[in-house]
Amino acid sequence: ETGVTQSPTHLIKTRGQQVTLRCSSQSGHNTVSWYQQALGQGPQFIFQYYREEENGRGNFPPRFSGLQFPNYSSELNVNALELDDSALYLCASRPDSYNEQFFGPGTRLTVL
Amino acid sequence: GQQVMQSPQYQHVQEGEDFTTYCNSSTTLSNIQWYKQRPGGHPVFLIQLVKSGEVKKQKRLTFQFGEAKKNSSLHITATQTTDVGTYFCAGLNDYKLSFGAGTTVTVRA
Repeated sequence: ETGVTQSPTHLIKTRGQQVTLRCSSQSGHNTVSWYQQALGQGPQFIFQYYREEENGRGNFPPRFSGLQFPNYSSELNVNALELDDSALYLCASRPDSYNEQFFGPGTRLTVL
Repeated sequence: GQQVMQSPQYQHVQEGEDFTTYCNSSTTLSNIQWYKQRPGGHPVFLIQLVKSGEVKKQKRLTFQFGEAKKNSSLHITATQTTDVGTYFCAGLNDYKLSFGAGTTVTVRA
């Protein structure tokens, strides 16, 4: 077990709706990253937060946004959902000075 | 932008045989990480390689980082049914970890 949890496990939304996914990291893991994994693909980097500030972003539009909280929890928000947003969303955290990513079990999002 | 490519996409292996999966980056990497994802699971960290030409072993798994720090390989000897899953390499540059598409391994008993 990585000590990283995510909720919900599965979610079904319709196109145009908004969604919030949640992640709870281990204490002391100041960096959290979010990834999108489409079926049959590798995880794609969405963004990274360090101590509640976004400090890196991948090639995702602004309708993908996030928050990180002092209690090591974080959120991924996606507005105006599109069909192509259907994927497994993974959060991964790590402590300072470590590159190893500790992944959560993911949230499977289906957009209809 | 940085691209990480893996081959082969699929590897069907007879139990007991060896195989190698390859990873290539379009840019020089700070380090490379390998992850394993079981069917229905999430990526689990296997190893990190940092130095040019570095070789690391974990039991039946041997990981290598190329001299130019743009390619890597994972060699598995005496494949077992527990080796089933998708193996991803991921290249780190600055803050960004870029994953390849993975090699999905199935094992014939």
